Amino acid sequence: QVQLQESGPGLVKPSETLSLTCTVSGGSIGSYYWSWIRQPPGRGLEWIGYVYYSGSTKYNPSVKSRVTISVDKSKSQFSLKLTSMTPADTAVYYCARGTGTTALDYWGQGTLVTVSS
Amino acid sequence: DIQLTQSPSFLSASVGDRVTITCRASQGISSYLAWYQQKSGKAPKLLIYAASTLQSGVPSRFSGSASGTEFTLTITSLQPEDFATYYCQQRDTFCLTFGGGTKVEIK
Repeated sequence: QVQLQESGPGLVKPSETLSLTCTVSGGSIGSYYWSWIRQPPGRGLEWIGYVYYSGSTKYNPSVKSRVTISVDKSKSQFSLKLTSMTPADTAVYYCARGTGTTALDYWGQGTLVTVSS
Repeated sequence: DIQLTQSPSFLSASVGDRVTITCRASQGISSYLAWYQQKSGKAPKLLIYAASTLQSGVPSRFSGSASGTEFTLTITSLQPEDFATYYCQQRDTFCLTFGGGTKVEIK
């Protein structure tokens, strides 16, 4: 059974950079799209971007200037870096696996990131 | 950018009811539309992909259909465990996009 687990800080100061890692177990990281999605408290889902197992990426234009997503196949991990964090970036951050149809079939449990001084 | 508009945003229904949720795309999209169920405090769960294909393990009371830019999620007989928020999601050239969500509550 494929499992994804997010890890990283729960609290980030304004203007700092958020770094999150998603560890994939129970399956190969190959041939899939690996996405980050976030959900502000009480609100809907926002796709941040994805990295293909080959390393190619695609980002949401709303955060494109601030985001980097990368993959480490040797560790079965992929990572999110989001710079210049503001309180508006406070959200639960999820990692997820995307298939060829880019439906997201496996998700991590999510990690709450709060931006506050 | 393609926008997905879900309706209704909220609905109140009883166990055993037939429920229909609609997702309208702002322009033509491929059949790469998916539906998710999210319960409070949990990650979303994939229900349907490619507009009408049921994800493995999802009960057959869930179904999806498409007509042009309008996509529909139907629950034929609502069960107590189905009370949740439902999202549609599509992929275009530039982006993955989610609809705003439909919260299904107990009447």
